[in-house]
Amino acid sequence: QSVLTQSPSVSGAPGQTITISCTGSSSNIGAGYDVHWYQQLPGTAPKLLIYDNNNRPSGVPDRFSGSKSDTSASLAITGLQAEDEADYYCQSYDSSLSGSVFGGGTKLTVL
Amino acid sequence: QVQLVESGGGVVQPGRSLRLSCAASGFTFSSYAMHWVRQAPGKGLDWVAVISYDGTYKYYADSVKGRFTISRDNSKNTLYLQMNRQRGEDSAVYYCARDVLRTHQASPFDYWGQGTLVTVSS
Repeated sequence: QSVLTQSPSVSGAPGQTITISCTGSSSNIGAGYDVHWYQQLPGTAPKLLIYDNNNRPSGVPDRFSGSKSDTSASLAITGLQAEDEADYYCQSYDSSLSGSVFGGGTKLTVL
Repeated sequence: QVQLVESGGGVVQPGRSLRLSCAASGFTFSSYAMHWVRQAPGKGLDWVAVISYDGTYKYYADSVKGRFTISRDNSKNTLYLQMNRQRGEDSAVYYCARDVLRTHQASPFDYWGQGTLVTVSS
């Protein structure tokens, strides 16, 4: 059972927009801690996709965006492409656990 | 370029010990906090431990507290994870990851290694 809750799967057709949600609590996202997002392509290590809620590292397309509100955060992907098919994880910090926490991950399928 | 290369994984019997290493290159290792994150087969990411840039601060997930020890040797640019009293649920790919800061402050992990597989089985 992950501290941060994500839907297990989401799908969309090429060109469409999808959103992935990440729900936490008052000891993590709700406490004001930043949320970060990672993309994990099949068989590879995770890659930082969005940091500090809504910032993209250099090289990440602007089709990817993040937002945060209250105890939840969201990752949006516009103009879906086949290469976006991957697992996506949110991450934050939990004050009651004194450490990082991840969401359970969301598998994106591009139809 | 930044490189993190894990090693030391393998098959270990329940109750036994194993030490993982993560060799860092391409950046000033002693300036960054470092993490271990694991991923059981077919499962999600699971944060394990963090160590500050100078080794002063160490924090662990409850699931490994008292059994695992994170350490670093800045003279060798290497991060370690000593895993004792291993259990079946410790079976996973173990990744080392670099924090963007010297000490972990809810900050992201900007570089990850390729991972090393640990299988706990009799």
